[in-house]
Amino acid sequence: NAGVMQNPRHLVRRRGQEARLRCSPMKGHSHVYWYRQLPEEGLKFMVYLQKENIIDESGMPKERFSAEFPKEGPSILRIQQVVRGDSAAYFCASSQEGTPRDEQYFGPGTRLTVT
Amino acid sequence: GESVGLHLPTLSVQEGDNSIINCAYSNSASDYFIWYKQESGKGPQFIIDIRSNMDKRQGQRVTVLLNKTVKHLSLQIAATQPGDSAVYFCAELYTGGFKTIFGAGTRLFVKA
Repeated sequence: NAGVMQNPRHLVRRRGQEARLRCSPMKGHSHVYWYRQLPEEGLKFMVYLQKENIIDESGMPKERFSAEFPKEGPSILRIQQVVRGDSAAYFCASSQEGTPRDEQYFGPGTRLTVT
Repeated sequence: GESVGLHLPTLSVQEGDNSIINCAYSNSASDYFIWYKQESGKGPQFIIDIRSNMDKRQGQRVTVLLNKTVKHLSLQIAATQPGDSAVYFCAELYTGGFKTIFGAGTRLFVKA
C-alpha cells in the first residue's frame, strides 16, 4: 500500500509565477490536510478537505492560495503570483475517517523555492 | 493566540541514554496531543498520542507524560539510538475542530 505521494518534490518558481502542488492520499483515504513548514519551524495548518469539499480553510491566506480535492485525481494546492515569502516546504497528510483523532499520514513534502 | 512551544530547541544525548523532550501548550481546550518525529527531507511520522483524560501513555521505548495543570507535555525515549536522531514536534488538537497545532520542534542528536 503506497503511502501519501506528493509531487513535485522540489519546485522552483520566479516571483509572479504560479505554483501547483499535488498530493495523492493513501489508498482508501478521502481526507486531505495541507500544512506549510518554514525552515526550523513547526508545521502550520492550512486547509482540510474531503472529496469535493473544503471543510476548514482557516489557515489558508485569503489571497493567492487555493486548494481543491476533486472527485477524481489528486488534491491540488495552488499558489498564484508567488512571492519570496512563499518559499517553504508544503506537506500534505491524509486520513481515512477524518475525525480529529484519526491518524494523519504525511507525504514527503514539496519544497518550493521562489527566486 | 495559538502556540505550542518547546523549552529546548536542541538536545544532544549519548547513545543508550534516555532522552526527554519537553513541550508547553497554551490552549486549555486542547484535549488530544501527539508527538511526531521528522527526519531530514521527510514528512512527520506519528510516534505516540495521548488524550487529556490520561496523564501517561507508554509505547515501545517511548513514554508521553501530560500535566494539564501546567499545560506541559513530555516525550521520553528510552535507550536512545542513532536512528532516533531527528526533529521532534509536539502537536495539540481540540477534537471539536480539525486544526492540528504544531510546536516549533526540538532537534535530537544522538552521539555514538
